[in-house]
Amino acid sequence: DTEVTQTPKHLVMGMTNKKSLKCEQHMGHRAMYWYKQKAKKPPELMFVYSYEKLSINESVPSRFSPECPNSSLLNLHLHALQPEDSALYLCASSQDETGGTEAFFGQGTRLTVV
Amino acid sequence: RKEVEQDPGPFNVPEGATVAFNCTYSNSASQSFFWYRQDCRKEPKLLMSVYSSGNEDGRFTAQLNRASQYISLLIRDSKLSDSATYLCVVNMRTGGFKTIFGAGTRLFVKA
Repeated sequence: DTEVTQTPKHLVMGMTNKKSLKCEQHMGHRAMYWYKQKAKKPPELMFVYSYEKLSINESVPSRFSPECPNSSLLNLHLHALQPEDSALYLCASSQDETGGTEAFFGQGTRLTVV
Repeated sequence: RKEVEQDPGPFNVPEGATVAFNCTYSNSASQSFFWYRQDCRKEPKLLMSVYSSGNEDGRFTAQLNRASQYISLLIRDSKLSDSATYLCVVNMRTGGFKTIFGAGTRLFVKA
């Protein structure tokens, strides 16, 4: 199983809503990531979790709150988002964060903030 | 200067052509290198890893030049299905470990 599963696939939310994005992998990977991708741009790293601990936060606004309940799950809690936060949110995982292995991506959640 | 730079293209080539992409990286502490392919509105998928000794997979050849800090991807006998965005990806240690994407190179293969 080389899958990273993200839910939901599409999400429309208002600026006052609270929602969560979910990501799951069962490859035994110990590093998990959140990326944001705008149209015609490359993915931009948001957060890195290594062994269930947050190791990198790329100065992401606090309206995005990551959570790693266990080694297979990664959540991204959203609150008071802005329309410019509309994007494709990609979750990825890799064997570990030593840098030697490739990352596997989920299909993404396409988020629209209205 | 961006940490990973690619020519965004687009590259428009006929079927059967050979096309090459280059990518440069600025951090000499970079550890591993990959080419990913991304189709429109889809997630990035690993195409191949890149090693100093070179890596070939069918019509695709990737090469790493650590001294000059660039990686390359060569596609031979292009197919219509090769049309996609090709992302150069570098894993590097800058404090913590990061995966950095290049801007991507768009390829259109025409009949």
